[in-house]
Amino acid sequence: GEDVEQSLFLSVREGDSSVINCTYTDSSSTYLYWYKQEPGAGLQLLTYIFSNMDMKQDQRLTVLLNKKDKHLSLRIADTQTGDSAIYFCAESMDSSASKIIFGSGTRLSIRP
Amino acid sequence: EPEVTQTPSHQVTQMGQEVILRCVPISNHLYFYWYRQILGQKVEFLVSFYNNEISEKSEIFDDQFSVERPDGSNFTLKIRSTKLEDSAMYFCASNADRAGIYEQYFGPGTRLTVT
Repeated sequence: GEDVEQSLFLSVREGDSSVINCTYTDSSSTYLYWYKQEPGAGLQLLTYIFSNMDMKQDQRLTVLLNKKDKHLSLRIADTQTGDSAIYFCAESMDSSASKIIFGSGTRLSIRP
Repeated sequence: EPEVTQTPSHQVTQMGQEVILRCVPISNHLYFYWYRQILGQKVEFLVSFYNNEISEKSEIFDDQFSVERPDGSNFTLKIRSTKLEDSAMYFCASNADRAGIYEQYFGPGTRLTVT
């Protein structure tokens, strides 16, 4: 069945790059997403990538997709204290009505 | 920037009571969803809704749950007889019908506490 796995915690020093990794099981996934959840807040869509792409860059964010290994990563350059949050990897199929399947989320904490 | 809104932000109810969680999706969106997140667990899909009917529902979405779009702006989730295990954060989401663009925008959530 569909499943998305992520490590639970990541701690990085302010100014360093953060890399959050994710694996998924469903090879028919068409869209892969990264959502950010700050404490007490909702889910903010950060970026997404189509399954026919290898990489997508958006300012400080770089998404890498290895479709063969079903591995997705999110790199945050120059990590700031405001980046502290839970980051969810997610997938969906090729349909407007498709549900999104979320991973457990990776809690990113920033050390001074 | 348009956003999905949800009310109330926090609802406390007694076991066995009915609750209605309300959402106002983004105005030109056509696809609507409910998800829930039990504290410390994954965000789980409950139901999707399009053209005034349910498109897909999960195993969680049993006969105790129902959804409705009573007018042109609101989208509601009703739980008929709440159980302790229904305590969770409930997120509404909506999606525009633009070919090739499948971005689900989420509301801030309603925290439901069943006592």
